[in-house]
Amino acid sequence: DAKTTQPTSMDCAEGRAANLPCNHSTISGNEYVYWYRQIHSQGPQYIIHGLKNNETNEMASLIITEDRKSSTLILPHATLRDTAVYYCIVSSSGAGSYQLTFGKGTKLSVIP
Amino acid sequence: EAGVAQSPRYKIIEKRQSVAFWCNPISGHATLYWYQQILGQGPKLLIQFQNNGVVDDSQLPKDRFSAERLKGVDSTLKIQPAKLEDSAVYLCASSLRTGTVGYNEQFFGPGTRLTVL
Repeated sequence: DAKTTQPTSMDCAEGRAANLPCNHSTISGNEYVYWYRQIHSQGPQYIIHGLKNNETNEMASLIITEDRKSSTLILPHATLRDTAVYYCIVSSSGAGSYQLTFGKGTKLSVIP
Repeated sequence: EAGVAQSPRYKIIEKRQSVAFWCNPISGHATLYWYQQILGQGPKLLIQFQNNGVVDDSQLPKDRFSAERLKGVDSTLKIQPAKLEDSAVYLCASSLRTGTVGYNEQFFGPGTRLTVL
């Protein structure tokens, strides 16, 4: 699976949009981009995933560049409860297993 | 719906002792995962089950770690004997099934925090 590069930490003011970047320059054609987040003392939580089109759900939007070498997770109106570590993961389905290889992620702090 | 249940939530043992963790996945979820998360790092997959069969255990230290999933539902992860470097949070996750069209997200439990002294 392709590796990802994320900033170690980011701050965002409460109520503003949080834009979390992720580089995955070695991504291959059948690999998806997944985002999970982990709030302190909890297990990770799925946010969104995409292949090449931009995706939106009730939690966030995912913008993938045309060459698919990078993506951005957007939390449109960050709240204090969005403070967490955000993981960008690139993975293929493999043998249908959808395995996740977590890096260190980006620690997002939402500031009042 | 009820989430993934894990117990105990915390465990403190001395090195060379044994320990077991229990996981009850979401009802109907065929796939179950165990992860190890060392402080400051992301979770690392240890073993993946599909129903009661092992799909991948390539990163499980088999000399001391073992896992089973009885009847394709609950699962236990055991460490025997424990080492200092086993201190970590052990996370269990489940998903509906794999090998199908579309993505089945993984739902994680709260984890068991193990401290080995």
